[in-house]
Amino acid sequence: DAGVTQSPTHLIKTRGQQVTLRCSPISGHKSVSWYQQVLGQGPQFIFQYYEKEERGRGNFPDRFSARQFPNYSSELNVNALLLGDSALYLCASSLRQGASYEQYFGPGTRLTVT
Amino acid sequence: SQQGEEDPQALSIQEGENATMNCSYKTSINNLQWYRQNSGRGLVHLILIRSNEREKHSGRLRVTLDTSKKSSSLLITASRAADTASYFCATVASGGSYIPTFGRGTSLIVHP
Repeated sequence: DAGVTQSPTHLIKTRGQQVTLRCSPISGHKSVSWYQQVLGQGPQFIFQYYEKEERGRGNFPDRFSARQFPNYSSELNVNALLLGDSALYLCASSLRQGASYEQYFGPGTRLTVT
Repeated sequence: SQQGEEDPQALSIQEGENATMNCSYKTSINNLQWYRQNSGRGLVHLILIRSNEREKHSGRLRVTLDTSKKSSSLLITASRAADTASYFCATVASGGSYIPTFGRGTSLIVHP
């Protein structure tokens, strides 16, 4: 079975541009979460979606937005990119929303903002 | 903000030795999870331990949880070079948020 997939693998953008990152969860998983991981830090929670509704939002500015589609795949959008947005963006899926449901992470998208 | 904090930040050992990493946290938790990350790529879930559990094992991994001290430890026995990675603890707070909060991680290097 395929794991969580993310695209693209790497991305280079210029300050002020907009970027869209994509995530496909494991088949049957209905919950998708997004994390930002800056070099040398642990992942920071950005969004959680379950059954196509936003169920959680981390402490990120409104430049960050996301959505989940009927097939449970998800997109993360970041507008007006800043140098500080350079990071590894991780997507994780789980069967359902809930504290005890294990999250499965994708390989991430490495975003570099110049 | 980081909830869990791992200690030490970095650990260097020889193959065959045991590696112990610690995690401290601040608020009441529903569960605590340990993850491994190789070379800045995706995280792999290792073990989930619930707040009413004290110890769990998985292969060469042993996790303990002391809720009175708000701390957990991950022990890797008979380490291998392939265990070289960053290890993160993540806490899920009690109260229904369901969002795991990660620490900064411990970087483990196992020398062959």
